[in-house]
Amino acid sequence: QKEVEQNSGPLSVPEGAIASLNCTYSDRGSQSFFWYRQYSGKSPELIMSIYSNGDKEDGRFTAQLNKASQYVSLLIRDSQPSDSATYLCAVKIGSTLGRLYFGRGTQLTVWP
Amino acid sequence: GAVVSQHPSWVICKSGTSVKIECRSLDFQATTMFWYRQFPKQSLMLMATSNEGSKATYEQGVEKDKFLINHASLTLSTLTVTSAHPEDSSFYICSVSRTRAAGELFFGEGSRLTVL
Repeated sequence: QKEVEQNSGPLSVPEGAIASLNCTYSDRGSQSFFWYRQYSGKSPELIMSIYSNGDKEDGRFTAQLNKASQYVSLLIRDSQPSDSATYLCAVKIGSTLGRLYFGRGTQLTVWP
Repeated sequence: GAVVSQHPSWVICKSGTSVKIECRSLDFQATTMFWYRQFPKQSLMLMATSNEGSKATYEQGVEKDKFLINHASLTLSTLTVTSAHPEDSSFYICSVSRTRAAGELFFGEGSRLTVL
């Protein structure tokens, strides 16, 4: 069973704060890790990808990966109301092209 | 990223009818496209892989005779939900992957199907 677990939230933070989103996965063979943002009624949009242990920063977003702990996180600095969305963690397991395993998502609300 | 377009964005149909959803890769030739489904409050699940010029590959538990996939060109894949029933109501999203090694997917806008 390939499982990707996320806290469903909702997570609520004030504007300007740091939002921290967490994800754990069950398969140690997992190779690639992604964070998607999904606005209500819309399709997922890729915001971060990470492949090796450590941190990866892109603007206000930082992805952190710890393969030993099977844990990946997303930090959003200086959160804005426009960041309010559901954030999906996705994991690629195996070599099958196109098959990602998604968590159920964490709903984030940033209040002004 | 990659630009993927889907049509229609939403569709309402009566039980027993068939619905066709189109997915187009606008900025590169996709030999393979991926169809995902998302039920309310659930995670996205891969349904099938659409292969240009050959049969689609279906995930376990997905009925190939119910969800017909055609990938006739390098830019177009279609999903037909045949004899739709209320339990087929869902958000259907197609996607493409530019790089095999990286594995990242880029999604179309999605098609919301409601079967009455």
